[in-house]
Amino acid sequence: QLQLRESGPGLVKPSETLSLTCTVSGDSLSSNNYYWAWIRQPPGKGLEWIGSIYYSGRPYYDPSLERRVTISVDTSKNQFSLNLSSMTAADTAVYYCARTLTTMVRGTRVSLYFDYWGQGILVTVSS
Amino acid sequence: DIQMTQSPSTLSASVGDRVTITCRASRSISSWLAWYQQKPGKAPKLLIYQASSLESGVPSRFSGSGSETEFTLTISSLQPDDFATYYCQQYNSYPTFGGGTKVEIK
Repeated sequence: QLQLRESGPGLVKPSETLSLTCTVSGDSLSSNNYYWAWIRQPPGKGLEWIGSIYYSGRPYYDPSLERRVTISVDTSKNQFSLNLSSMTAADTAVYYCARTLTTMVRGTRVSLYFDYWGQGILVTVSS
Repeated sequence: DIQMTQSPSTLSASVGDRVTITCRASRSISSWLAWYQQKPGKAPKLLIYQASSLESGVPSRFSGSGSETEFTLTISSLQPDDFATYYCQQYNSYPTFGGGTKVEIK
């Protein structure tokens, strides 16, 4: 059974960089059929996609966060990670990692919907 | 980016009611749409993908329809376990979600 688990600090100071890791078990991060994504949800609000990565490809990000986000993958550990710089109170949220189904469209792999999610980790930005 | 608008934002219903939630896209997304259910303190759960395909293990009282810019999620007979918040998500371009519809007990 596929499981994803987020890990990292629950408290980050303003202007610092958040670093989170998602550990995948029950499936290989190197599978051809999936992207791996980060999604967040501010308290009491809706869902916001942050970015996605393929195990051998370049990550892509939400344009509104692109200048602050880095997503990387470590296939040897079956993990992928999120770095989000210049944190502010507006970045306080539950951060989820998720598996994304993909398909090929005219020779290009495109990501579809999120079929497995981690339990989420609450990150609070406060001094 | 593609904006997704859900309505209503809150819906009060009783067990056994037929419930319909609408999701509108700011431009055509063909059938590239998914629906999720989220309960408090839990991660979202995939219900429907490709606008109308039921995810494995999801009860058949859930159904999805629509294409291009207008989509609906229908629960044919609301059960106690269905009180939750529902989100649509388009994947025609980089993913965006609707604002959510909370289904609460009437």
